[in-house]
Amino acid sequence: RKEVEQDPGPFNVPEGATVAFNCTYSNSASQSFFWYRQDCRKEPKLLMSVYSSGNEDGRFTAQLNRASQYISLLIRDSKLSDSATYLCVVNGGRSSNYQLIWGAGTKLIIKP
Amino acid sequence: EAQVTQNPRYLITVTGKKLTVTCSQNMNHEYMSWYRQDPGLGLRQIYYSMNVEVTDKGDVPEGYKVSRKEKRNFPLILESPSPNQTSLYFCASSSGLAVSNEQFFGPGTRLTVL
Repeated sequence: RKEVEQDPGPFNVPEGATVAFNCTYSNSASQSFFWYRQDCRKEPKLLMSVYSSGNEDGRFTAQLNRASQYISLLIRDSKLSDSATYLCVVNGGRSSNYQLIWGAGTKLIIKP
Repeated sequence: EAQVTQNPRYLITVTGKKLTVTCSQNMNHEYMSWYRQDPGLGLRQIYYSMNVEVTDKGDVPEGYKVSRKEKRNFPLILESPSPNQTSLYFCASSSGLAVSNEQFFGPGTRLTVL
């Protein structure tokens, strides 16, 4: 089992729709969680950190479920510019020397 | 402008020919790292550095070397490249530990080893 797993997609979603995807992680000792966005052939950029109580940034909502060991990203009123690959990132805990473990990404395509 | 730069952006080389990919950041960040990204796999860390003269192996260090003689520079060296090192490489930096701080990435270096 991969340490961080994501559905690779692609998710094809009409503009204006709400879309959500999850990411599961295997290390219960993980303490920090992030979502990064990566446009085609470009570098990843931080979208948002994920806090224990859940957090929102405009149209984006991130949630953490420690019991089931997954984080989620919800995008409301999706825009064409939201088309990208979304990378889930988790702190690997002591076994990984506290380095970050990256998921392979979920590809999102917003259609007009 | 705050940024991480990498050079070259694209490189095609042959097996065994030593190469260096440079990485430089102008944000005075202590932490720098190198990743490779392959289809279907997440970013995998090759090496990281917590500060000048402090480097450590990541998940996939075999076949790579790094050095951190200055805070701003963190070159990646492939002494004898092989085809399985064909990949997209990213350098990243952050102001503190990667686990709690935003990573800033360079634009990537696409390497092909024939």
